[in-house]
Amino acid sequence: DTAVSQTPKYLVTQMGNDKSIKCEQNLGHDTMYWYKQDSKKFLKIMFSYNNKELIINETVPNRFSPKSPDKAHLNLHINSLELGDSAVYFCASRQGGSGNTIYFGEGSWLTVV
Amino acid sequence: RKEVEQDPGPFNVPEGATVAFNCTYSNSASQSFFWYRQDCRKEPKLLMSVYSSGNEDGRFTAQLNRASQYISLLIRDSKLSDSATYLCAVKIYGGSQGNLIFGKGTKLSVKP
Repeated sequence: DTAVSQTPKYLVTQMGNDKSIKCEQNLGHDTMYWYKQDSKKFLKIMFSYNNKELIINETVPNRFSPKSPDKAHLNLHINSLELGDSAVYFCASRQGGSGNTIYFGEGSWLTVV
Repeated sequence: RKEVEQDPGPFNVPEGATVAFNCTYSNSASQSFFWYRQDCRKEPKLLMSVYSSGNEDGRFTAQLNRASQYISLLIRDSKLSDSATYLCAVKIYGGSQGNLIFGKGTKLSVKP
């Protein structure tokens, strides 16, 4: 079973659209993340979410909003998509407390045209 | 200065070679250190944690130098299957999340 799963894996959409990427983890972890990896392969944290506490990277535009219906899910909503949003978005999770290992989903390849 | 910096490479080495990657971090409050491996069009996966005393896992050796704020990864007897991008990651504790900050990665290509 996939520990961290995200859908869709590939998404091509037009500028201005609103889209969502879903993420689910079956590891029972307390903390979930969204990372963005751009064309230069730089992996940058966007959000972390732990026990209903959301930490936002201040450089992330407010067009991006994470939503967590429960501990096992952290979805990413993106409004008014722009060309520069094209990237790979990775969901990840980690056990809280002393748990250090972060497990990544397989990534969602977003292309905005 | 970026929080975590790595030489982007690429490092092109023949099979059997020994190759070393370095990574520097800027925040002295950094508490945990890791090397991740990322294959082309795949997600990053934990290769090994880096402990203060240094640690070894088969052909891979990781070292930490807190005074100079850098970590290293040594790969001995390189295999073709070692070709990947190696990401250095640093965890800084200050909030409840302990976010993991990544370097840009060093690309390794092992040739026959």
